[in-house]
Amino acid sequence: DAMVIQNPRYQVTQFGKPVTLSCSQTLNHNVMYWYQQKSSQAPKLLFHYYDKDFNNEADTPDNFQSRRPNTSFCFLDIRSPGLGDAAMYLCATRLGLGGYNEQFFGPGTRLTVL
Amino acid sequence: AQSVAQPEDQVNVAEGNPLTVKCTYSVSGNPYLFWYVQYPNRGLQFLLKYITGDNLVKGSYGFEAEFNKSQTSFHLKKPSALVSDSALYFCAVRDGDNTGKLIFGQGTTLQVKP
Repeated sequence: DAMVIQNPRYQVTQFGKPVTLSCSQTLNHNVMYWYQQKSSQAPKLLFHYYDKDFNNEADTPDNFQSRRPNTSFCFLDIRSPGLGDAAMYLCATRLGLGGYNEQFFGPGTRLTVL
Repeated sequence: AQSVAQPEDQVNVAEGNPLTVKCTYSVSGNPYLFWYVQYPNRGLQFLLKYITGDNLVKGSYGFEAEFNKSQTSFHLKKPSALVSDSALYFCAVRDGDNTGKLIFGQGTTLQVKP
């Protein structure tokens, strides 16, 4: 089945130790999103790619970076995680622009910062 | 600016009874509206969307939603609730910048009791 896959599902890191979360998709969607979600709040968009074009949200901290080496894969790098970065990180994909297609979400990676 | 509101933090309903989860929106232009469901420690699952056409939209798992332009609402409904419907529900509207970005409501927890 076509899907969005996130690895790992659970990640524990230490304060200040860099961590990378990965997302892959078999949907061949050209748009990919990274969200941060804290304790049952609404997901907060960090950035998105349209093909290789990177779009950062204005309030996304510099501590968060992303890479998309090809259509299928996208990575979220947290350079120096703080306790406040503990959250669920969701990857989503979507076909095309225009806004009428829905986003498909992966299962998420829950990040714990010790 | 686009916005969406879910006025209820939690909705409680008995199994077998009809359920409604409320959503109101504020947009400039035509609204593209979405409902997603999130089970614990999972990503968001798409339920249904309204883009244009019939005001009553049918979606996954027996859910439907009614678009009401005069009341700027897009309430989620189901004729007969199941215990397994218990989850966190998000209403979302497309952001107006045509990137397909979503603006989410704060979420409503649905609790269906046997």
